[in-house]
Amino acid sequence: NAGVTQTPKFQVLKTGQSMTLQCAQDMNHEYMSWYRQDPGMGLRLIHYSVGAGITDQGEVPNGYNVSRSTTEDFPLRLLSAAPSQTSVYFCASSKLKGTGNTGELFFGEGSRLTVL
Amino acid sequence: AQSVTQLDSQVPVFEEAPVELRCNYSSSVSVYLFWYVQYPNQGLQLLLKYLSGSTLVKSINGFEAEFNKSQTSFHLRKPSVHISDTAEYFCAVSDGSSYKLIFGSGTRLLVRP
Repeated sequence: NAGVTQTPKFQVLKTGQSMTLQCAQDMNHEYMSWYRQDPGMGLRLIHYSVGAGITDQGEVPNGYNVSRSTTEDFPLRLLSAAPSQTSVYFCASSKLKGTGNTGELFFGEGSRLTVL
Repeated sequence: AQSVTQLDSQVPVFEEAPVELRCNYSSSVSVYLFWYVQYPNQGLQLLLKYLSGSTLVKSINGFEAEFNKSQTSFHLRKPSVHISDTAEYFCAVSDGSSYKLIFGSGTRLLVRP
């Protein structure tokens, strides 16, 4: 099983450029989310979705957009990259609670983004 | 809002010694608690979880954690660590009504020979 797949694994941007981090899962998970990981700060939730057409903001949503047109895909868009967005980004998914799941997240391998 | 505190940013320990990684969370009526492990250049993997029932939960590789409601803690322990346990460990919590996991800042376990 592929699980959660993120692309690209590495990306270097210049300030002001835009890009999209891709995330796809093949486990039919309703819930998908994006986290950023920074040294000493753990993982912080950026945006999440509980199903196609439904998205919501997490702890640190500014500077990022998301959409959820299908169950499988949850892309993260940076419209105008800033050096403060240099980070490692993780996509994670899970079944929703109430369907036998408990909120356990399945993670992709991460996308390392550097903004110069 | 839920929060998680991992006071130790790094824990060095010798191989075969015991270890405890501390985790405290803000109080809530009901919580689900998790420990995730991250090996270098990889994503996070679930190590163990507390949902309900027995307050002591165990992983397949010898780790265990105990849910202590009165102290709002979920410390991770292992009686004898191996070099291969070197990794970063994250404590996470979600409340019973939320899909969102809130993570602590992580503890880097460094096992020395």
